[in-house]
Amino acid sequence: SQQGEEDPQALSIQEGENATMNCSYKTSINNLQWYRQNSGRGLVHLILIRSNEREKHSGRLRVTLDTSKKSSSLLITASRAADTASYFCAPNQGGKLIFGQGTELSVKP
Amino acid sequence: KAGVTQTPRYLIKTRGQQVTLSCSPISGHRSVSWYQQTPGQGLQFLFEYFSETQRNKGNFPGRFSGRQFSNSRSEMNVSTLELGDSALYLCASSWGGGLNTEAFFGQGTRLTVV
Repeated sequence: SQQGEEDPQALSIQEGENATMNCSYKTSINNLQWYRQNSGRGLVHLILIRSNEREKHSGRLRVTLDTSKKSSSLLITASRAADTASYFCAPNQGGKLIFGQGTELSVKP
Repeated sequence: KAGVTQTPRYLIKTRGQQVTLSCSPISGHRSVSWYQQTPGQGLQFLFEYFSETQRNKGNFPGRFSGRQFSNSRSEMNVSTLELGDSALYLCASSWGGGLNTEAFFGQGTRLTVV
């Protein structure tokens, strides 16, 4: 069964706007990682947030983690056309990354 | 530092054949995990190797196997190929020394079974 479930499945925004993607999972985790994938290519690692962390920043990315609600969110600020991709959260359960179906983000110039 | 290298990038095989995919992790990384990505099932964990030993295993049939060499390079083998094995196979490399290590993926091998 899939652990990470992203919401929404698809998101379309204008350049400059912020994009928020949410992720829910089912069981306890060691950490949660977010990835980006362009057109069926490899996954690009964006950020890792540990189970004892609540928020983490990296450039235009902000990730939050709420272990009591078993949820995480990824915020991309001031989006660019180059941010168009699929985004996946991957809860780490004992060394296994369990992926959801991802959120397809489209950023229009 | 070189990234994760997967070879070959593309492969076409016939039903019933077997295939071997290769993954060279980032230098210094001792853990290699394999994932299958299909449009219907998404990304699914196959197995993880650490220091030449299988440390974790997903829910795939025995036709899917792997191994890791002393230099941390890993191979994945699929025997008796089925049409449903057509997928993007991704390998992830991590230091593996603890549970909170980042996993970095290669570009994948796209396998088509005809």
